[in-house]
Amino acid sequence: NAGVTQTPKFQVLKTGQSMTLQCAQDMNHEYMSWYRQDPGMGLRLIHYSVGAGITDQGEVPNGYNVSRSTTEDFPLRLLSAAPSQTSVYFCASRRQTNYNSPLHFGNGTRLTVT
Amino acid sequence: EDKVVQSPLSLVVHEGDTVTLNCSYEVTNFRSLLWYKQEKKAPTFLFMLTSSGIEKKSGRLSSILDKKELFSILNITATQTGDSAIYLCAVGTSYDKVIFGPGTSLSVIP
Repeated sequence: NAGVTQTPKFQVLKTGQSMTLQCAQDMNHEYMSWYRQDPGMGLRLIHYSVGAGITDQGEVPNGYNVSRSTTEDFPLRLLSAAPSQTSVYFCASRRQTNYNSPLHFGNGTRLTVT
Repeated sequence: EDKVVQSPLSLVVHEGDTVTLNCSYEVTNFRSLLWYKQEKKAPTFLFMLTSSGIEKKSGRLSSILDKKELFSILNITATQTGDSAIYLCAVGTSYDKVIFGPGTSLSVIP
């Protein structure tokens, strides 16, 4: 099973450039979310979705957009990258119908903004 | 504002030692508390706790939740170098958010 797949694994952007981080899951999970991880700060929730067509903001949503047109995909868009967005980004999913199921994580995308 | 706090933030122990990692939380509408282990890449799931006082065990790892005092501990006995990792505590809320603490970085030296 592929589980949660994130692409690309690494990306370098210049300030002001835009890009989309891709996340796909093949487990038919309703719930998907994006986190960023910075040293000493754990994982901070950016955006999440409880199903196709539904998204909501997490703890640190500014500078990021999301959409959820299918159950499988949950892309994260940076419209104008800033050095403060240098981080490791993780996508995670779980079954929404069982609130007490753990999150399954992708392997992360390491983003550097210069 | 929902908050998850972990202590200590880092810890160095010798192989064979027993360690206790702490997690406290203040969230609206608590639903579950989760522990994850993170080595090089993605966090991997260890435990989920929803009820107070019931210990969960897996090998040398165990965890317990106190919903009255709003904290959980993760114990690791007879530590090995393979236990070196970041241990993350997270809390799930009924508003569908899963909030993580800053993590405890554990180093086990031979």
